[in-house]
Amino acid sequence: DTEVTQTPKHLVMGMTNKKSLKCEQHMGHRAMYWYKQKAKKPPELMFVYSYEKLSINESVPSRFSPECPNSSLLNLHLHALQPEDSALYLCASSLGQGDQPQHFGDGTRLSIL
Amino acid sequence: QKEVEQNSGPLSVPEGAIASLNCTYSDRVSQSFFWYRQYSGKSPELIMSIYSNGDKEDGRFTAQLNKASQYVSLLIRDSQPSDSATYLCAVKGNNFNKFYFGSGTKLNVKP
Repeated sequence: DTEVTQTPKHLVMGMTNKKSLKCEQHMGHRAMYWYKQKAKKPPELMFVYSYEKLSINESVPSRFSPECPNSSLLNLHLHALQPEDSALYLCASSLGQGDQPQHFGDGTRLSIL
Repeated sequence: QKEVEQNSGPLSVPEGAIASLNCTYSDRVSQSFFWYRQYSGKSPELIMSIYSNGDKEDGRFTAQLNKASQYVSLLIRDSQPSDSATYLCAVKGNNFNKFYFGSGTKLNVKP
């Protein structure tokens, strides 16, 4: 079990659907991340929130919309996704200062029909 | 040039042997280095952190850092089939809490 909890574990959605991915941590971490990972590839950074403010957006298409309601929660809102968006979506958190590592959640396996 | 480079493998070693995984990075000011293990279909799991030049040991794992050569490695002693996974090298950038990942090295430990 990881200390970063992601829901749902699996999600199948059509290209016209709207859905959200949720991530929660209670480690007091102040930096939270969304990554996208395709098979046999490393995690690809999408967004970073630092102290609840968006600090990095890696030129992600607007059909992905992140939200950080508080220091423990991170959401990723999905709308009008494409089949190529099918991937494992990973949430991670880190202390937000110093040299501490990231800790990953178990991920959400997303399939776009 | 990529920020972090790893040989994609696969690296095959027999059970009980030492597996040696290597990583180079381009940013000389990097200070924090991490190794993650990722089983197929699972999320990355942190196995080692290293911040200073030299060796750091944790059980069967030893991380080695050489900042002058911009090189970090992971040794796995007495390799087990359960060590078969992809190993990701990550380097923390100086700004904005950004971590740079290598492409990962796939390790196969053969019984």
